[in-house]
Amino acid sequence: GAGVSQSPSNKVTEKGKDVELRCDPISGHTALYWYRQSLGQGLEFLIYFQGNSAPDKSGLPSDRFSAERTGGSVSTLTIQRTQQEDSAVYLCASSWDRRGYTFGSGTRLTVV
Amino acid sequence: QKEVEQDPGPLSVPEGAIVSLNCTYSNSAFQYFMWYRQYSRKGPELLMYTYSSGNKEDGRFTAQVDKSSKYISLFIRDSQPSDSATYLCGGFSGGYQKVTFGTGTKLQVIP
Repeated sequence: GAGVSQSPSNKVTEKGKDVELRCDPISGHTALYWYRQSLGQGLEFLIYFQGNSAPDKSGLPSDRFSAERTGGSVSTLTIQRTQQEDSAVYLCASSWDRRGYTFGSGTRLTVV
Repeated sequence: QKEVEQDPGPLSVPEGAIVSLNCTYSNSAFQYFMWYRQYSRKGPELLMYTYSSGNKEDGRFTAQVDKSSKYISLFIRDSQPSDSATYLCGGFSGGYQKVTFGTGTKLQVIP
């Protein structure tokens, strides 16, 4: 596609439920990143995938968070047993070189 | 202390003014620096990308990096109301390493 596609654009879930957020990167981009953006907190790195290398999971805030990337393309970020502090915009980005990322529009997650 | 510090603003300027946005960083390994612009409820979009110290100009935008003082700047000339957005600075060490971002500066250009 022309850009990075994320779905859903908005998600409201009840505390304790699991959610899955999807990212479809730009075709041919080998690197894929997940960030979280909370009010006043800026962009917080979560995880990144590069080709067939093991993902860098160093930013995942707890073991309730996990992500996978299938076939080097689509990625899914899963949050188990959601908490209110998980409410944020989750942004996905992809890249094929060092010249910066292309971000999607994000998924706005609200935990009630 | 955050690796990248940025004044959150908001910064209000009149149309046509020169805007200066600044960041400091602490990680000496950073070699690449970038500025992103983010409109409300949109994803960030890449504005400027620079390697190491020096200046880079693109239209009304100039990015400046001073590695000796760990200081990053973005200048916007002849600012327009359409420049009203949040500006994020970031740095990384190279390859496909993650970019560390500042918290963003909210800019408002008043017509």
